[in-house]
Amino acid sequence: GQQVMQIPQYQHVQEGEDFTTYCNSSTTLSNIQWYKQRPGGHPVFLIQLVKSGEVKKQKRLTFQFGEAKKNSSLHITATQTTDVGTYFCAGAAGNNRKLIWGLGTSLAVNP
Amino acid sequence: EAGVTQSPTHLIKTRGQQATLRCSPISGHTSVYWYQQALGLGLQFLLWYDEGEERNRGNFPPRFSGRQFPNYSSELNVNALELEDSALYLCASRSYNEQFFGPGTRLTVL
Repeated sequence: GQQVMQIPQYQHVQEGEDFTTYCNSSTTLSNIQWYKQRPGGHPVFLIQLVKSGEVKKQKRLTFQFGEAKKNSSLHITATQTTDVGTYFCAGAAGNNRKLIWGLGTSLAVNP
Repeated sequence: EAGVTQSPTHLIKTRGQQATLRCSPISGHTSVYWYQQALGLGLQFLLWYDEGEERNRGNFPPRFSGRQFPNYSSELNVNALELEDSALYLCASRSYNEQFFGPGTRLTVL
């Protein structure tokens, strides 16, 4: 079945360093979404990418969708302690409204 | 606008018992998704309801079931509880493609 792999599983950085998490799907996606879950909280929607090669920015966060619409990345520039949490990607194929979730990347930031 | 609500916040059961978890979606949202998040793991898709019907279910045994009511609220029932069912159960409702999550129900099976 359709799978979404996300790496790395964990990342520990010093405040101010950059951070990137990657998602790879076994099938072509119609869209990919990114969510952030703070420790003890629930996932919160960050962004959705739909177009091949799409790049979107939210302040220090840059999201990319691959040309083949099978991979995506989230890059955080100059991490801050407020960036701590687990970042999930979730993809949908075709008209399927069921999202396939990656296992998430847990980010820890040392002040 | 009120967000997705879930009850109870915490639930403690013993093996073999049954658990019922409840979810109220954001007003106007007709789709409800249930996920299981075991400690340290990602989100495992459980069930998807839309317009009162089950649209899809994840790779879970039949003792995980649920329903959606006419007001679009939903229940998740877990029968014959096992220790490994201990997890955070998240409910989400959907607007277009974005999912809005509730705070979750922490189920502990002793």
